[in-house]
Amino acid sequence: NAGVTQTPKFQVLKTGQSMTLQCAQDMNHNSMYWYRQDPGMGLRLIYYSASEGTTDKGEVPNGYNVSRLNKREFSLRLESAAPSQTSVYFCASRSVAGAGEQFFGPGTRLTVL
Amino acid sequence: AQSVAQPEDQVNVAEGNPLTVKCTYSVSGNPYLFWYVQYPNRGLQFLLKYITGDNLVKGSYGFEAEFNKSQTSFHLKKPSALVSDSALYFCAVRPLTGANNLFFGTGTRLTVIP
Repeated sequence: NAGVTQTPKFQVLKTGQSMTLQCAQDMNHNSMYWYRQDPGMGLRLIYYSASEGTTDKGEVPNGYNVSRLNKREFSLRLESAAPSQTSVYFCASRSVAGAGEQFFGPGTRLTVL
Repeated sequence: AQSVAQPEDQVNVAEGNPLTVKCTYSVSGNPYLFWYVQYPNRGLQFLLKYITGDNLVKGSYGFEAEFNKSQTSFHLKKPSALVSDSALYFCAVRPLTGANNLFFGTGTRLTVIP
């Protein structure tokens, strides 16, 4: 039982390049989330998926797209990376039962030059 | 609008002393409340949560948190700090209505001094 996994762990991009961050969970959770973490700002929600087949914008969605490929996988795509997207990206998942806590992946550290 | 405040960026405490990491929130209704811990180069780990009931909740690694409805606070506490408790701590709230995501505070870095 690996929990929430993310790939890659590190990535360096040039401005304008594109990439997809992958996330998978093996806990049979319905809801999945993408956050970015920046110094002094905590975690901010980019997009989330309440269930398979649905996605919704969070607090900071501009410059990103997401795909809920199936119940296990939720990917985040940067179509044209910008230096402002340099951050640490975390994926999380949650069971919808009650006040279930979110479980986080180990993160992807992205640098855009 | 929902918001979470962690008024201290940094908390230093001597090993063996009690520790408190403060959190206040502003949300409509009665939210679910959470504490997470982040060790260097790691993801967030769940510590504890408050849903309803007893205002003092106990969690992992000897941590506990006290919910105070009138002060809209949810402070994290531990009776005796360990050096290994040094990490970044996040308070988070999830409103009972609307989107089902978490709103995080900006984090408090706890340093336990040997």
